[in-house]
Amino acid sequence: QLQVQESGPRLVKASETLSVICTVSGGSIYGDSWSFIRQPAGKGLEWIGHISAFGETNYNPSLKRRVTLSVDTSKNQFSLSLTSVTAADTAIYYCARVLSDTYCTGSTCSRGDWFDPWGQGTLVIVSS
Amino acid sequence: QSVVTQSPSASGTPGQRVTISCSGSSSNVGTNYVSWYQHVPGTAPKVLIYRNNERHSGVPARFSGSKSGTSASLAISGLRSDDEADYYCATWDDTLSVPVFGGGTRLTVL
Repeated sequence: QLQVQESGPRLVKASETLSVICTVSGGSIYGDSWSFIRQPAGKGLEWIGHISAFGETNYNPSLKRRVTLSVDTSKNQFSLSLTSVTAADTAIYYCARVLSDTYCTGSTCSRGDWFDPWGQGTLVIVSS
Repeated sequence: QSVVTQSPSASGTPGQRVTISCSGSSSNVGTNYVSWYQHVPGTAPKVLIYRNNERHSGVPARFSGSKSGTSASLAISGLRSDDEADYYCATWDDTLSVPVFGGGTRLTVL
């Protein structure tokens, strides 16, 4: 059964770089895309970005200047790096596999990304 | 503020049927597929519904999804105490070119 698990430091100082690693088990990282999603305390979910096993990335424009996703296929892992963090980056960080589907009829296309499975999340606190 | 909105709370009694709504626009819900997630705080979120109305493997038939125009709904019938959780909808937004989540609905089973 495919599983993903986040790991990384719980505390990060303001202005420094936040790093989270996601380890994929029970299956290969190849053939799928992978995503990071975060949830600040008391708030909803925010998509951070996708990465494929071949390193193709897509980032949330609101975070694009500070985010880098990378993949290590030898370890079946992918990683998040978020630079210049502030208190607003304090959140639970989740990783998940992304499944995508696009269906077109005529000139109209419908796209859907869904996330499965998810990790339990790792809380990262930005301290001043 | 998300471009896709959900009522912050919903409630029902055991055995009841409840509906959670997800409202968007023509650039997201109106055009693209909607998925639904159940999240018990402290655990991993789980996908319930994808492609608007397809149940994920292992999800009971009590959970169903639908979409009409720029709104989508998740219905839970035969409500159980362990359905108490946060529920999120998600879809693709053509204008932002990103997946977007609704703000979430906290379901309380009374």
